[in-house]
Amino acid sequence: EADIYQTPRYLVIGTGKKITLECSQTMGHDKMYWYQQDPGMELHLIHYSYGVNSTEKGDLSSESTVSRIRTEHFPLTLESARPSHTSQYLCASSKQGARGYTFGSGTRLTVV
Amino acid sequence: GENVEQHPSTLSVQEGDSAVIKCTYSDSASNYFPWYKQELGKGPQLIIDIRSNVGEKKDQRIAVTLNKTAKHFSLHITETQPEDSAVYFCAARGANNLFFGTGTRLTVIP
Repeated sequence: EADIYQTPRYLVIGTGKKITLECSQTMGHDKMYWYQQDPGMELHLIHYSYGVNSTEKGDLSSESTVSRIRTEHFPLTLESARPSHTSQYLCASSKQGARGYTFGSGTRLTVV
Repeated sequence: GENVEQHPSTLSVQEGDSAVIKCTYSDSASNYFPWYKQELGKGPQLIIDIRSNVGEKKDQRIAVTLNKTAKHFSLHITETQPEDSAVYFCAARGANNLFFGTGTRLTVIP
């Protein structure tokens, strides 16, 4: 079992609300990632972090923001949710020097 | 940066038949190629990987082949079972991050 946890699993929220998607890992991994997965399956990297106080934007432009204050925690925040933010959000982590990623189970966000 | 292409996007096979998914990559410096399986309602899970100094790797019914010269790698699933139905992603490791293919939805028909 992967030791990376995402909460909530499902979220339905109204337009304009502020939301934070939580991601925590207990493996001591340095690197963490957020992916947005569209209904067509494709994974789009939106944010990543190589360690505490390090955050970078990914390949897909996103209105979300992230923070990395603790190694194990990498929350993603949407200040004002819109229907276009409706998607599946996947968090992943990897150890420095390791090659593969461990994924969480995802948060399915619906903005109405 | 790295660009990974994956084909086909959907694949249906009869139970017991083989399934093959193919990927190509662009960066000749990539040296690690994992495959992930994503079941409904779950995150992708690593099922097999191969490093650039190896041409083939097998794990029971799953095998991966790598052709570095042609810059392509493939996933082979033999004796498919209904529980193999899922979305499969290939990936290639660039300088720092993994670059994922666009996914293949495999359906195994009982």
